[in-house]
This record gives sequence, structure tokens and C-alpha cells, in this order.
Amino acid sequence: QKEVEQDPGPLSVPEGAIVSLNCTYSNSAFQYFMWYRQYSRKGPELLMYTYSSGNKEDGRFTAQVDKSSKYISLFIRDSQPSDSATYLCASNTGTASKLTFGTGTRLQVTL
Amino acid sequence: KAGVTQTPRYLIKTRGQQVTLSCSPISGHRSVSWYQQTPGQGLQFLFEYFSETQRNKGNFPGRFSGRQFSNSRSEMNVSTLELGDSALYLCASSLDSRENTIYFGEGSWLTVV
Repeated sequence: QKEVEQDPGPLSVPEGAIVSLNCTYSNSAFQYFMWYRQYSRKGPELLMYTYSSGNKEDGRFTAQVDKSSKYISLFIRDSQPSDSATYLCASNTGTASKLTFGTGTRLQVTL
Repeated sequence: KAGVTQTPRYLIKTRGQQVTLSCSPISGHRSVSWYQQTPGQGLQFLFEYFSETQRNKGNFPGRFSGRQFSNSRSEMNVSTLELGDSALYLCASSLDSRENTIYFGEGSWLTVV
């Protein structure tokens, strides 16, 4: 069983929709939680990271962590075609660069 | 400010050969980490270097090695290539190993035939 599980999708939504992307994790030692966006044939780009349970908002993006249920979410409001990409959740135990990634969810936002 | 630069971007090697990939971190960043990305396994941590020392290592065989130079540039080497080594190899850098924002390069696409 992978330490971070993520539905691979693909997830297809119409432009303007609210998107919910989710991960679950099993390692109780995970402390930091990140979301990366990866466009085709590009490197991952950091979108957000959080340390504790709760919400963190940045523009159209909201990251949510629930440590009690080991659940990580990313919400995208007013989704745009440019949001079409693979979204990766990641966690670490405090060693910053040693991230454990989910397999990624492919998102397609259609016109 | 220039991002993380990886060379070469694409390469094809024959099984049994070895390959060296290069990474130049963001200016001022001293921590460099390497990841392998494959469709089946996703992104997996290979190792991390900080101030020319390997600080952390993932679960990869000894055929995978790396080093870091005094200017923080890093190389990784894969010897005796196998077909399963075909992957996107990503380098990431951060100010130091405690920094939780690591920045990835575009990657080096390796195909082993």
C-alpha cells in the first residue's frame, strides 16, 4: 500500500466549476503537505503547502488538511482551461526535500 | 531569477550503458534533491545533497548515485542501465534542507532501449 493514495482520474469538469482533488495518507509522521501542478512534459510546480490541520487559501486555490482522518484536499474555484494539468499531493515527515508523492490526478477543464 | 536547470532534456541510451544527468539549482540554493518519475510508480525520491554531502537517500539500488559540487551544482549517475530505468528524472532545489518549498526543474527524459 502506498503511503499517499490519490485517484488518478482523469477528472473532466466544465469551465467555471469548483474542482475538488483529494488524497489520503497512512503515515502518521507526515507533518507537511503540499500540492504541485504538473503540465505535460514539464516539472512539477509548487502550488501550496500547509503544516497543520485546517485551510489555507491562495487566490482560487484552497488547501485543506484533516490530520485526524489523514485526508488532504485541494479546491479550485472558477476553474479555467489553463488549470488542465496533473495535480500531485505530497507529504514529508519534516525532512523537507524527501517528499512522498501521490500518483497524481489528471484534470481537464473543458470550454 | 533563473530556475532549476537540467541537462540534457532528452536522451536515449542502450541497456547496460551508464548515464550522467546534470542539475544547476536556483542561485543561492544549497540543497539539491533528485526524483524519478514513471507512469507506474509516480514520483519517487532518489537522494538529496546539501553542501556536497548526501543527506538523505531513497530506496533505489546502488546503480543510482549522485554528487554535488562546491557551487551546489549536482550530477546523478545511473550505471548498467536497465529498461526499467526509463523515466523522467527531476532535480529540485531549496535554500536548505529544512526549507519546505522545493522547486523542480523541467527534468531529463531518459529512454533505455
